[in-house]
Amino acid sequence: SQQGEEDPQALSIQEGENATMNCSYKTSINNLQWYRQNSGRGLVHLILIRSNEREKHSGRLRVTLDTSKKSSSLLITASRAADTASYFCATERYYTGANSKLTFGKGITLSVRP
Amino acid sequence: GAVVSQHPSWVICKSGTSVKIECRSLDFQATTMFWYRQFPKQSLMLMATSNEGSKATYEQGVEKDKFLINHASLTLSTLTVTSAHPEDSSFYICSAPQGSGDTQYFGPGTRLTVL
Repeated sequence: SQQGEEDPQALSIQEGENATMNCSYKTSINNLQWYRQNSGRGLVHLILIRSNEREKHSGRLRVTLDTSKKSSSLLITASRAADTASYFCATERYYTGANSKLTFGKGITLSVRP
Repeated sequence: GAVVSQHPSWVICKSGTSVKIECRSLDFQATTMFWYRQFPKQSLMLMATSNEGSKATYEQGVEKDKFLINHASLTLSTLTVTSAHPEDSSFYICSAPQGSGDTQYFGPGTRLTVL
């Protein structure tokens, strides 16, 4: 079952603007991850934030996590046309025997207009 | 970062045939690999967890006799779609965690089209 729910489902912005994408989830997690997928391609890991972290940066990416609200946001600053892709949040939970599972949200389609 | 490959990248087959998809970790060993399915414009759905040296663990609703998983070595897991039907047409993606880290590395995916 899907845990993460992103919003908006689609986002269209002008190059240079910032893009903010949100993700909500339902159960407790160990970490939350954001991935990017270009059309018809595999996933690229962008950033991981652990449940005891509140904010993390990586280049033009900034991710926040609010475990009390069970939500996360991904901010892409100074967007570029090449950022056009689908973005997914995924929550990871650990199970017995050190196994873990990633549960993906439905994804956000970001279009950056040149 | 670590590299995971999949083969083939795309395959077209007739209804009723079986198709094997390979997932390889190229520069690391993976005792666990994951298989996902993604329908057009939808999210990834975990199908099963492939375990080296033991049986795969399937998610609820996934038929283990239809989607055969074999984790033959520490660098190779295969997914065989048996007696494929048009509704099995999808994008199949595998992933593998490197070591005990949290980051999973995803393969480029395999596009299966069943005629």
